[in-house]
Amino acid sequence: DGGITQSPKYLFRKEGQNVTLSCEQNLNHDAMYWYRQDPGQGLRLIYYSQIVNDFQKGDIAEGYSVSREKKESFPLTVTSAQKNPTAFYLCASSAPGPLLAQHFGDGTRLSIL
Amino acid sequence: AQSVTQLDSHVSVSEGTPVLLRCNYSSSYSPSLFWYVQHPNKGLQLLLKYTSAATLVKGINGFEAEFKKSETSFHLTKPSAHMSDAAEYFCVVSNTGFQKLVFGTGTRLLVSP
Repeated sequence: DGGITQSPKYLFRKEGQNVTLSCEQNLNHDAMYWYRQDPGQGLRLIYYSQIVNDFQKGDIAEGYSVSREKKESFPLTVTSAQKNPTAFYLCASSAPGPLLAQHFGDGTRLSIL
Repeated sequence: AQSVTQLDSHVSVSEGTPVLLRCNYSSSYSPSLFWYVQHPNKGLQLLLKYTSAATLVKGINGFEAEFKKSETSFHLTKPSAHMSDAAEYFCVVSNTGFQKLVFGTGTRLLVSP
């Protein structure tokens, strides 16, 4: 079945440590997205990529970095500059066009040790 | 700028009774509107979408929503709630250009036996 796989499901970060969240899709979608979800705040866009080797900052990019070297992969690194990283992180993808819905992975929950 | 307001943070119903989750939107353009559902520790699943073809939109699991331009509303309804409907629901608006989604803060639906 086609879908989006996020790993790991749970992740713990120590002070001063960078951590990388994995997102892989086999839907052959061009566009991929990373969102952060905090209780009572809905989802906020961190980064998005419309095509391989290109990505743009979303609304809350500070303290995060991404790469898009392959169409199916869009890893997110939470750097030590992100002072409040505890959240639920969701990856999504979509085919081209403004009317098509985004498909979501099952998320990674990041916590601070 | 686009925005959505979900008018209730929590809605409680009994199993077998109707469900109404309210959403108002603001958009400078003709919007695309979506409802997504999220079960605990899971990603978001698309329930239905409005893309100007018809004002009454039918989705999965018996849900439907009606687009009312005069009221700038896109309320989600279901005639008879089931225990499995207990989840968080997000109303989402998209611009007509690149598919950047703007999420509401969510409505938690509680279903009692």
